[in-house]
Amino acid sequence: GNSVTQMEGPVTLSEEAFLTINCTYTATGYPSLFWYVQYPGEGLQLLLKATKADDKGSNKGFEATYRKETTSFHLEKGSVQVSDSAVYFCALSDQPGGSEKLVFGKGMKLTVNP
Amino acid sequence: ETGVTQSPTHLIKTRGQQVTLRCSSQSGHNTVSWYQQALGQGPQFIFQYYREEENGRGNFPPRFSGLQFPNYSSELNVNALELDDSALYLCASRRETNYGYTFGSGTRLTVV
Repeated sequence: GNSVTQMEGPVTLSEEAFLTINCTYTATGYPSLFWYVQYPGEGLQLLLKATKADDKGSNKGFEATYRKETTSFHLEKGSVQVSDSAVYFCALSDQPGGSEKLVFGKGMKLTVNP
Repeated sequence: ETGVTQSPTHLIKTRGQQVTLRCSSQSGHNTVSWYQQALGQGPQFIFQYYREEENGRGNFPPRFSGLQFPNYSSELNVNALELDDSALYLCASRRETNYGYTFGSGTRLTVV
């Protein structure tokens, strides 16, 4: 079945450092790809998404490009802030039998120190 | 819009008991999905409801069941609780296809 593999961490960075979180996927067809963020004690928030090959999703300084040839959707940010400390999940959409579910990676905990 | 609200936020149950978790979605969100997130793991799809009918299910046994109501609220019921059912349970809802899901903050269930 469809699956997502991502860097698991935990990762600790200093403020203003460059961030990359790798994500690769296995899927039949052409799923939509997502990055979700989970702040401590909260549910998931959609960070960005891409629905077709070569699409670039971006939000709050984060970017990710849908690479069909490498089946990847790596998350990047040029300069992280303390407020970016959270758990980041890569996910794809799967549509078994007409429903639509999200398949998540295991998540990566990021801590940004001042 | 008021977002997706889940209740209770925390719950402790004994093995073998039954539990009902509740979710209140935004008006117009006719699709609701439930996910189980074990500690340190990504969320796992339990099932999805569309206009009060189940239209998708993940790899969970029948003792996990649900309901969706016309007022955009929904329930997740788990019978015969097991220790491994301890997890964060997330409700997510959306409007029609191609609209993103809005997640609630979850219910933390502990089975002892």
